[in-house]
Order: sequence, then C-alpha cells, then structure tokens
Amino acid sequence: QKEVEQDPGPLSVPEGAIVSLNCTYSNSAFQYFMWYRQYSRKGPELLMYTYSSGNKEDGRFTAQVDKSSKYISLFIRDSQPSDSATYLCAMSVNNAGKSTFGDGTTLTVKP
Amino acid sequence: NAGVMQNPRHLVRRRGQEARLRCSPMKGHSHVYWYRQLPEEGLKFMVYLQKENIIDESGMPKERFSAEFPKEGPSILRIQQVVRGDSAAYFCASSPQATGLQETQYFGPGTRLLVL
Repeated sequence: QKEVEQDPGPLSVPEGAIVSLNCTYSNSAFQYFMWYRQYSRKGPELLMYTYSSGNKEDGRFTAQVDKSSKYISLFIRDSQPSDSATYLCAMSVNNAGKSTFGDGTTLTVKP
Repeated sequence: NAGVMQNPRHLVRRRGQEARLRCSPMKGHSHVYWYRQLPEEGLKFMVYLQKENIIDESGMPKERFSAEFPKEGPSILRIQQVVRGDSAAYFCASSPQATGLQETQYFGPGTRLLVL
C-alpha cells in the first residue's frame, strides 16, 4: 500500500465549477502538506503549503488538512480553463527533507 | 531571481552509456533534491543533498546511480550504464536553509531522459 493515495481521475468539469481534489495518507508523522500544479511536460509548481491541520485560503484555492482522518483536500472555486493541469499532493515529515507525492489527478476545465 | 535550472532539458542515451543531469538551485538555496517521475506516475524521491554532503539517499537505486553537490557548481545526478527502465523525467528541487515554516521546495523544469 502506498503512503499517499490520490484520487486518480481524470476529472472533467465545466468552467466555473467548484473542484475538489483529495488525498489520503497512512504515515501519521507527516506534518507538512503541499499541493502542486503540473502542466504537461513542465516541472511542478507549488500552489499551497500547510503546516499541520486546518484550512488555508489563497484566492480561488483552499487547502484543508484533517490529520485525525489523514485526509487532505484542495478546492478550486470558479474553475478556469487555465486550471487544466495535473494536481499533485505531497507531504513531508520535516520542514527540510524528502516529500512523498501522490500520483496526481488530471483536471480538465471545459470552456 | 532565476528559478531552478536544469540541463539538458532532453537527453537521449543508448543502453550502456552514462547520463549526467545537472541542476543549479535558486540563488541563496543550499538544499537540493532529486526526484524521478515515470509516465503517468507521481514524483518519487531519490536523494537530498546539501553542499558537499548527502543527507538522505534512501530513494536512490543501490547500483549505477550517484549524486553530488560540490562546493562550487551545480548538483549532478549520474546514471551509469543506463537501461531502458531509466527513461523518465528527472526533476531537481531546491530550498533554503530550514529555518522556518515557510521553507519548501521549488522545482526545476526537469530533464527528460530517453534510453534507446
């Protein structure tokens, strides 16, 4: 069983929809939680970074972490065609050190 | 401030040859990480280095792979005697010193290795 499981998708939504992306994990030592966006044949780009449990909002993006359930989510409001990409969740035990990634969810937002 | 730079962006090697991948971290960053991404998969950690020091190489294959981050110059990931299964995208990330909660990893554009 993988340490980090991510809903595989693909996910296709109409423009303006609310998107929910989710990951579960098994390692209770994870404290740092990240969401990356990766466009085709590009490097991952950090979207959200959260320490421990709670919510964090940045524009149209909201990250939620529920450590008791070992479950994290990324919500995208008012989705745009430019949000079409693969979204990767990642988590780490320490602030410096390796991150463990999910396999990614490919999102398509249709105009 | 330039981002993380990787070169070459694309590399083609025949089986048995050596591949050298280079990574220049962001200015002021002293930590470098290497990840490998196979098609349709997420990133898998390989190695974590600080200058002149390997911190964590738990994700490195036991044979043929090595990494270094010298005092001067880029970090190098070396793959000796490449095989077709080494074909993947290799990403480098860098981060500042771990002195606060805002530190994290910034990724380069990757090197796509194709082994014929």
